[in-house]
Amino acid sequence: GAVVSQHPSRVICKSGTSVKIECRSLDFQATTMFWYRQFPKQSLMLMATSNEGSKATYEQGVEKDKFLINHASLTLSTLTVTSAHPEDSSFYICSARDGDRGLSEAFFGQGTRLTVV
Amino acid sequence: KQEVTQIPAALSVPEGENLVLNCSFTDSAIYNLQWFRQDPGKGLTSLLLIQSSQREQTSGRLNASLDKSSGRSTLYIAASQPGDSATYLCAVQDNYGQNFVFGPGTRLSVLP
Repeated sequence: GAVVSQHPSRVICKSGTSVKIECRSLDFQATTMFWYRQFPKQSLMLMATSNEGSKATYEQGVEKDKFLINHASLTLSTLTVTSAHPEDSSFYICSARDGDRGLSEAFFGQGTRLTVV
Repeated sequence: KQEVTQIPAALSVPEGENLVLNCSFTDSAIYNLQWFRQDPGKGLTSLLLIQSSQREQTSGRLNASLDKSSGRSTLYIAASQPGDSATYLCAVQDNYGQNFVFGPGTRLSVLP
């Protein structure tokens, strides 16, 4: 099956700093990637949808200036949490859609546990 | 707006029991439904994918059914084992093939 690699798996950063999370599709071209956030004991919530070469589409309530998404190539999307605050501490997961497979199952990264201290 | 609910929120059973997890969604215009497993602090493991035209899918001890018209899916786990302990999430993908809407999950504990 298709593999999506997310890095880092765990990161601790100081309040006010920025953190970049990478999401790579290893064996397919991901025309669309999705970024989700999961707070403790809550379900995954979509943050934004990124299409290669264009601006990301953010869900209501998600600050686009705070969560910068770049999908510069068909195999890489990055999420940068800028000026992180403790309330940004969460579990972030990306998923990628294989354009060649059509609208089929989603492939998820292993997630990034962000802790802002 | 699509909403997904899961019942029960938590479940604790002795090893060997058969169990059923329930998922409901409000908008039947879905492309597919997927069941995932999430271990504490970890990512998602895809268990079963059911296309909207399908009624059920089976993989080993797992069987998932889909009744799109009534907005329901069930995940059946046969002969549960302690290693099955995890949170089980269902998610529906809309007809545009875009994002998934996730349920809140069912936290399962299988006691040895």
